[in-house]
Amino acid sequence: GAGVSQSPSNKVTEKGKDVELRCDPISGHTALYWYRQRLGQGLEFLIYFQGNSAPDKSGLPSDRFSAERTGESVSTLTIQRTQQEDSAVYLCASSLESGRVGSGANVLTFGAGSRLTVL
Amino acid sequence: KQEVTQIPAALSVPEGENLVLNCSFTDSAIYNLQWFRQDPGKGLTSLLLIQSSQREQTSGRLNASLDKSSGRSTLYIAASQPGDSATYLCAARSGSARQLTFGSGTQLTVLP
Repeated sequence: GAGVSQSPSNKVTEKGKDVELRCDPISGHTALYWYRQRLGQGLEFLIYFQGNSAPDKSGLPSDRFSAERTGESVSTLTIQRTQQEDSAVYLCASSLESGRVGSGANVLTFGAGSRLTVL
Repeated sequence: KQEVTQIPAALSVPEGENLVLNCSFTDSAIYNLQWFRQDPGKGLTSLLLIQSSQREQTSGRLNASLDKSSGRSTLYIAASQPGDSATYLCAARSGSARQLTFGSGTQLTVLP
């Protein structure tokens, strides 16, 4: 596609429910990132996928958070048993290729985000 | 662990002024540094990316510099316009990590 697509754009859920957020990266982009941005705060790294390599999960805040990516396409971020502190905008980004120098190869393109509100 | 700081947190200038936004990072072994703008309710838009081997990058009225030895980057905006109003974020990728570490941003307001 022309850009990074995220869905849903807004999600309101009750505490304790599971939610699933989806990210469609730019076609051909091998690297995919998930970040979280709480209100008035900076971006927190959650997880990174690069091709068929094992994902870097070092930013996931707890075992309630998990993410999957099928090949070099769609990724889903799942939050189980949501808590109020999970309320944030979840941003997905992709890049052509990570770890190599190249014209535009490392530039991240972000989606518009999924705003999650946990009541 | 890489830490990125941006000063000031907020800045308000009259239209037409030239301005500088500052970004500092603790780990000088960076791979690249990227500047983004974020508009309210929207995602991030990449502005400039500077590789570790470069000193600066320019795009239109924007110029970003990188000084690894001092752990600093600046974003220079010439002849500011109200449409430049947004939050500007810098992000560093360390050589050993894959993810970007973001600063908390500078909220810029350009007054007409």
